[in-house]
Amino acid sequence: GQNIDQPTEMTATEGAIVQINCTYQTSGFNGLFWYQQHAGEAPTFLSYNVLDGLEEKGRFSSFLSRSKGYSYLLLKELQMKDSASYLCAVVDSNYQLIWGAGTKLIIKP
Amino acid sequence: GAVVSQHPSRVICKSGTSVKIECRSLDFQATTMFWYRQFPKQSLMLMATSNEGSKATYEQGVEKDKFLINHASLTLSTLTVTSAHPEDSSFYICSARGLAGGFPMPDTQYFGPGTRLTVL
Repeated sequence: GQNIDQPTEMTATEGAIVQINCTYQTSGFNGLFWYQQHAGEAPTFLSYNVLDGLEEKGRFSSFLSRSKGYSYLLLKELQMKDSASYLCAVVDSNYQLIWGAGTKLIIKP
Repeated sequence: GAVVSQHPSRVICKSGTSVKIECRSLDFQATTMFWYRQFPKQSLMLMATSNEGSKATYEQGVEKDKFLINHASLTLSTLTVTSAHPEDSSFYICSARGLAGGFPMPDTQYFGPGTRLTVL
């Protein structure tokens, strides 16, 4: 079967750094996405990794290791508005998007 | 860029009525659109994948006669919830994927803002 694992919930402090991990077992791999979803809203695209390594985009960075079936999303200089769910999704060999259940990130002042 | 709109944003209807939800890609052409449902505090659940000009592909357990999908053009897909019942109350979200090799990023799904359906 196909499986995406990420922690259910994480808590961090405003101004700090947090790393949200995602591990996957899928039939093939054609890329990994991270989306942000605020409560009551639709997801918004954050990043896409298809090659190993770190992709940096402002305060957010995403890392991928295909050999380990592992990715993380790194959020720096946390702001209260970063409180949201973060969804990891993998494109499998059929170009279907397999979604993780999401990680709810709570930011405390 | 890569804007997807969804209408209506919120709808309340009586049990037994039908509700149509529109999903439009405003600044790009989308050969493929996806319809998701999300219950409170749960992850996205893919309902169906629709390709322009062809029949939608429904996920297992999703009734195609109840959730009618039409993808008439490269910028518009509609989802009609027929004979809605209270258990159909949910957050319905569409996403659109652009043409391969062009704007926006290939294979990336861009989401509409969602439609909150409440069936009384």
